[in-house]
Amino acid sequence: EDKVVQSPLSLVVHEGDTVTLNCSYEVTNFRSLLWYKQEKKAPTFLFMLTSSGIEKKSGRLSSILDKKELFSILNITATQTGDSAIYLCAVGTADSWGKLQFGAGTQVVVTP
Amino acid sequence: DSGVTQTPKHLITATGQRVTLRCSPRSGDLSVYWYQQSLDQGLQFLIQYYNGEERAKGNILERFSAQQFPDLHSELNLSSLELGDSALYFCASSATGTAVYFGPGTRLLVL
Repeated sequence: EDKVVQSPLSLVVHEGDTVTLNCSYEVTNFRSLLWYKQEKKAPTFLFMLTSSGIEKKSGRLSSILDKKELFSILNITATQTGDSAIYLCAVGTADSWGKLQFGAGTQVVVTP
Repeated sequence: DSGVTQTPKHLITATGQRVTLRCSPRSGDLSVYWYQQSLDQGLQFLIQYYNGEERAKGNILERFSAQQFPDLHSELNLSSLELGDSALYFCASSATGTAVYFGPGTRLLVL
């Protein structure tokens, strides 16, 4: 059975700290791994990692994909209170593009 | 703003009733996906349509059905509603090989 496991489930940090979120997966016919940020409602797309793009960076956020060890990491540096959210990892397979299996998410709280 | 629109934002109804949720994908996206998010199940894939045809199915209940119209908008129909159907329903869209973008969601409350 396919599974996507995120850790930790939650964490509290101070503004300015660096946060590292983990996502491990066991799926058949892996195709892509996506990271989303969910605040009050809709998941907002952050990164997509595939065989042709295993490292992505945007401002203070960066992510890597290790296809050999079957995990991904999302890093947030110099955290701000606006980074407080649930971060979701999702994996897509060759079944169907967009049929994503989500992890349970990591809730990040950044305190002033 | 992802470019995916959904209506209504909120829906309150009674058990046994039927509701229709509506979604317009991002301009140019041929694929539409429906997801359900509940506290105990997390985000779960329900169904995908591509250019009007059903492409993939998840654990979608038989009481639920969807369709995609020629203008690419999609509707998710939920019937014989039960208390456990209360959840956030998201529509998402993508082009093949690109990221999946989520709409703002419809919060359904079944009383």
